[in-house]
Amino acid sequence: GEDVEQSLFLSVREGDSSVINCTYTDSSSTYLYWYKQEPGAGLQLLTYIFSNMDMKQDQRLTVLLNKKDKHLSLRIADTQTGDSAIYFCAERQGRKLIWGLGTSLAVNP
Amino acid sequence: DGGITQSPKYLFRKEGQNVTLSCEQNLNHDAMYWYRQDPGQGLRLIYYSQIVNDFQKGDIAEGYSVSREKKESFPLTVTSAQKNPTAFYLCATSGTGIFYGYTFGSGTRLTVV
Repeated sequence: GEDVEQSLFLSVREGDSSVINCTYTDSSSTYLYWYKQEPGAGLQLLTYIFSNMDMKQDQRLTVLLNKKDKHLSLRIADTQTGDSAIYFCAERQGRKLIWGLGTSLAVNP
Repeated sequence: DGGITQSPKYLFRKEGQNVTLSCEQNLNHDAMYWYRQDPGQGLRLIYYSQIVNDFQKGDIAEGYSVSREKKESFPLTVTSAQKNPTAFYLCATSGTGIFYGYTFGSGTRLTVV
């Protein structure tokens, strides 16, 4: 199938690291994305990775890609209350993006 | 600044009415998309257009219509045939950039009253 799967909820304490996981389906070369959605707003592209890469780091964000298991993760270091949002994983298949249902991240003080 | 403008931010519709949601972009992107978002259901594709004067149905097109007369504009009409239109609607665009990601507008929340 073409499903992209994510766990629906994650709760962390402020200052801890958050790890949001995603599994995808297409084994061919593709781009994979992480988007962030704050309440009542549109989606904002956080980062992306091409499938020939294993890791990408951008400030507090680290993306890890395990091609064998088709597993993608987003690690947020030193999680802050402003990181509370829904995080979507998406996989490019041809000209379409296939979306996960989103992981709702709650950051507790 | 380049971007996508969705209007209005909030919209109320009476039973049996058609309403039109606006999406305008100045990113010079060829492709435009409409998504519907309901709690716990992620994003569902309604319609998309890859070029002016052409558009295709997405996964949940019934009860919706679109037009693409200009590159900059992709309005969505929610017709009276859509039985459960209350939702958050998102417009997105995609160019031919190196990573082919989507850029999203800020959304329109439609409520049936």
